[in-house]
Amino acid sequence: GIQVEQSPPDLILQEGANSTLRCNFSDSVNNLQWFHQNPWGQLINLFYIPSGTKQNGRLSATTVATERYSLLYISSSQTTDSGVYFCALRSGGYNKLIFGAGTRLAVHP
Amino acid sequence: GAGVSQSPRYKVTKRGQDVTLRCDPISSHATLYWYQQALGQGPEFLTYFNYEAQPDKSGLPSDRFSAERPEGSISTLTIQRTEQRDSAMYRCASSLAGASNEQFFGPGTRLTVL
Repeated sequence: GIQVEQSPPDLILQEGANSTLRCNFSDSVNNLQWFHQNPWGQLINLFYIPSGTKQNGRLSATTVATERYSLLYISSSQTTDSGVYFCALRSGGYNKLIFGAGTRLAVHP
Repeated sequence: GAGVSQSPRYKVTKRGQDVTLRCDPISSHATLYWYQQALGQGPEFLTYFNYEAQPDKSGLPSDRFSAERPEGSISTLTIQRTEQRDSAMYRCASSLAGASNEQFFGPGTRLTVL
């Protein structure tokens, strides 16, 4: 089945710093989503981005489907950005989302 | 409803007991999914429904796990004869019909089996 790799696995930032999270995948996709799992365990939709570029406030994402990767940019990080960021994708005729292992982000004041 | 809701939010049970978890999807969503998330890992697919049909239950770890969606809306996930290894967060998601539609997740049920 399709493989999903996220990097880096862990990231520590000072408040105000910028960061880039990466998601590599091994096959073509028809759905790619980025989620933020906050410290209370909620899984929050950030982007639905099977291709192209989107921006939402301080966050933006780019998926280059032909090269099989997606990037999540966080600018001017805040302590509330802390948590785990998951990339998840769907491939072929399957309806299920396959999740990466996540990037654990800690933003310190 | 406005979002996906799940109940209970927390469940503590003793080994060998049966538990039933409930999911109420977004009202316009035909497709409903169940995922299991172990501590420190990403969610893993269990099963999904299109309305009341259950086309794929390949992720259910054993025959102790079953799910229903009898009227194509609310769904339940039942675990019989619970074991300690069943302890996890159980997440429900829903989407519009179609393979490429965005999935929206509920808050999850944290199950602890003692």
